Amino acid sequence: DAKTTQPPSMDCAEGRAANLPCNHSTISGNEYVYWYRQIHSQGPQYIIHGLKNNETNEMASLIITEDRKSSTLILPHATLRDTAVYYCIVRANTGGGNKLTFGTGTQLKV
Amino acid sequence: AAGVIQSPRHLIKEKRETATLKCYPIPRHDTVYWYQQGPGQDPQFLISFYEKMQSDKGSIPDRFSAQQFSDYHSELNMSSLELGDSALYFCASSTGLPKDEQYFGPGTRLTVT
Repeated sequence: DAKTTQPPSMDCAEGRAANLPCNHSTISGNEYVYWYRQIHSQGPQYIIHGLKNNETNEMASLIITEDRKSSTLILPHATLRDTAVYYCIVRANTGGGNKLTFGTGTQLKV
Repeated sequence: AAGVIQSPRHLIKEKRETATLKCYPIPRHDTVYWYQQGPGQDPQFLISFYEKMQSDKGSIPDRFSAQQFSDYHSELNMSSLELGDSALYFCASSTGLPKDEQYFGPGTRLTVT
């Protein structure tokens, strides 16, 4: 699975958009970009994932650059409950189970 | 909506004892994953099962074993416990392809004294 690079920490004012960047310059053509977050000592929570098109759901938006070497997770209106460690994970989707390899992530403080 | 259930939530054991952690996946999820998170560390993959067969293995010590049963629940067995095994142990389940979103349980906090 491709390696990812994220800033170790970021601050965001409540009510503002939080933009969390992720670099994955060695991503392969069949690898997806997944985002998870972990609120202190709770189980990680799935946020969103995408292959090459931008994606949006009720939690967030995912913007993937055209060359797929980087992406940005956008939380449109951050609240105090969004304070968490955010993990960007690049992974292929093959059959029979696909582990998540967590890096150091970005600690977002709202 | 139903979530992943893990039991027990907290467990205290002494060195060299054994421990069994249980995981009940979300109904109709056929894949189970186990992760270990040490203090101040990020979650690390241990092992996974798909349709009751082991599908992948990470850095799981030989002292640990796991299996998935016919009702899809899974158990992680840990023997000869060491102080370094103190950690949060998360179980996750997923439906597999195409989305393969993993849903995590609340974790079991294991303390070895």
